[in-house]
Amino acid sequence: SAVISQKPSRDICQRGTSLTIQCQVDSQVTMMFWYRQQPGQSLTLIATANQGSEATYESGFVIDKFPISRPNLTFSTLTVSNMSPEDSSIYLCSVVPDRVSTEAFFGQGTRLTVV
Amino acid sequence: DAKTTQPPSMDCAEGRAANLPCNHSTISGNEYVYWYRQIHSQGPQYIIHGLKNNETNEMASLIITEDRKSSTLILPHATLRDTAVYYCIVRGNLYGGSQGNLIFGKGTKLSVKP
Repeated sequence: SAVISQKPSRDICQRGTSLTIQCQVDSQVTMMFWYRQQPGQSLTLIATANQGSEATYESGFVIDKFPISRPNLTFSTLTVSNMSPEDSSIYLCSVVPDRVSTEAFFGQGTRLTVV
Repeated sequence: DAKTTQPPSMDCAEGRAANLPCNHSTISGNEYVYWYRQIHSQGPQYIIHGLKNNETNEMASLIITEDRKSSTLILPHATLRDTAVYYCIVRGNLYGGSQGNLIFGKGTKLSVKP
């Protein structure tokens, strides 16, 4: 299993500012992902965080808006840049420990409100 | 787009079995059926998964039809704490080239009532 710590758990931010969300795992993991969950909606994959290289973004998400870092096998950050009220969502970190893992683990999420 | 279809909501009486259906008619031979649930204000939690055989663990049972086009998650004795959104997801094996991420549909909102 993997225990994920996500920080902050929630924040209220002014439009036009940026917020960096941290995801710390208690063990080395092969895969790390970032999801967004808009109010009342299901989860949508933003990107796959690749260790030591640029993240792989899904359609509709770009690096300038959601820069991601993954410096090692236990840590990743997601930045929400130049925020607008439409960015108000829950952002979740997810990991798959290794290629034989059958399940993905999720952090508790960061609830972001942009005013 | 999600590869699964689930009813948007279901009710279940506390102590009774909750049977949550899922259609995945386009599932391919190397794809697994996964079930996750999301309790309000928490991250999704893994429940169970299977390929073609029925599976059971301490949380639930998974019944997959012989043609693999549908499945049912069974919570044998639902409690109030089982109230959550339940997601049925199909995903390939990581060795088979799956990217590892999960594609979430809208899920089924299960309400367990006293």
